[in-house]
Amino acid sequence: GAVVSQHPSWVICKSGTSVKIECRSLDFQATTMFWYRQFPKQSLMLMATSNEGSKATYEQGVEKDKFLINHASLTLSTLTVTSAHPEDSSFYICSASPLAGGADTQYFGPGTRLTVL
Amino acid sequence: AQSVTQLDSQVPVFEEAPVELRCNYSSSVSVYLFWYVQYPNQGLQLLLKYLSGSTLVKGINGFEAEFNKSQTSFHLRKPSVHISDTAEYFCAVKGGGSEKLVFGKGTKLTVNP
Repeated sequence: GAVVSQHPSWVICKSGTSVKIECRSLDFQATTMFWYRQFPKQSLMLMATSNEGSKATYEQGVEKDKFLINHASLTLSTLTVTSAHPEDSSFYICSASPLAGGADTQYFGPGTRLTVL
Repeated sequence: AQSVTQLDSQVPVFEEAPVELRCNYSSSVSVYLFWYVQYPNQGLQLLLKYLSGSTLVKGINGFEAEFNKSQTSFHLRKPSVHISDTAEYFCAVKGGGSEKLVFGKGTKLTVNP
């Protein structure tokens, strides 16, 4: 149980284009989903926290107009990187906290590797 | 605010040897503590967590960790490692009513034959 999927697992795009990454909780409903960014050989940095039906809360220094987050349902959150540039290349990981019970724990997706040319 | 320090960035060990990965945290409130493992190009998998109760926590894959409040530590141990344990290990803390997990910088465990 407690499986989180991400799609796509990797994506290559041209500079200036937009990329959408999906995060789904497959076997539970998630009150809250989180988006992280991980640079090579570094730790995870929280980008934003999203709750279903409300606006995401972005961490300091994260451009909300560049990283658009939509949490349309209790099982789906999307991250759209708008007008992507090479410096946006990174490993993006989402996580989800269950609606009932185990809310202390986040379950992580497998990550999406974005490469912007 | 919480913070996490993983004292070793890399730990090389031989197969079947014991290992300890160190984690210290700082927080002014009670905390929840976690260890996650990340295999190459994958997301994070929960190894174990401390919420309350017994300070010795057992997790998956033979790992265990001990919460030491006086030393603000949560070290991860395994008595005998396998080649397949080679991965990056992250300690994380959550507390003060916050939803957020704060991660350490990670420890790369390499198990050699």
